[in-house]
Amino acid sequence: EDQVTQSPEALRLQEGESSSLNCSYTVSGLRGLFWYRQDPGKGPEFLFTLYSAGEEKEKERLKATLTKKESFLHITAPKPEDSATYLCAVRTTTSGTYKYIFGTGTRLKVLA
Amino acid sequence: DAGVIQSPRHEVTEMGQEVTLRCKPISGHNSLFWYRQTMMRGLELLIYFNNNVPIDDSGMPEDRFSAKMPNASFSTLKIQPSEPRDSAVYFCASSPPGLRGYEQFFGPGTRLTVL
Repeated sequence: EDQVTQSPEALRLQEGESSSLNCSYTVSGLRGLFWYRQDPGKGPEFLFTLYSAGEEKEKERLKATLTKKESFLHITAPKPEDSATYLCAVRTTTSGTYKYIFGTGTRLKVLA
Repeated sequence: DAGVIQSPRHEVTEMGQEVTLRCKPISGHNSLFWYRQTMMRGLELLIYFNNNVPIDDSGMPEDRFSAKMPNASFSTLKIQPSEPRDSAVYFCASSPPGLRGYEQFFGPGTRLTVL
């Protein structure tokens, strides 16, 4: 069964304290891995998409990487405004139909 | 652009009542997705449409749930009859055609409470 697992569930960092969020996946046919940011009371906001192992994407203090079994979202020198829930999702294909599976997210709190 | 528009933003209803959630996707987008989010199960895809045609509804939990997309600018998700376990935040998302079709733009969600 296709599955996406994120860890840790919650993370508290001091401002400037770099860390990484993990997304491990077990899918039959990966057609993309996505990272989203979700603020309380709002819909998820797209951050990155990765398609193949070894691929990396960067945006400001965030950097996403992909291997054959997992993806990492690295946060360098985070600021309080980076506090949010970060969601990982995969797109797979079965009989020509795309399926989208989300992880349950990592709640990040950055303290000033 | 106004983004994805959902209505109502909050809905409180009693068990057994019919509930209709509405979504207006971003103009020019050709794919539309309905999700449900709960603390226990996270974000789950219920159904998605491509060019107004339902492509995959395997995430629709029961026959009580139905979705329609009569045209490119409007979709509804209906629950009839509603049950307390349907309480959740329901999101609609849309994505553009072409190379950026993987990027989903989410609406603000409808918080549904079934008493």
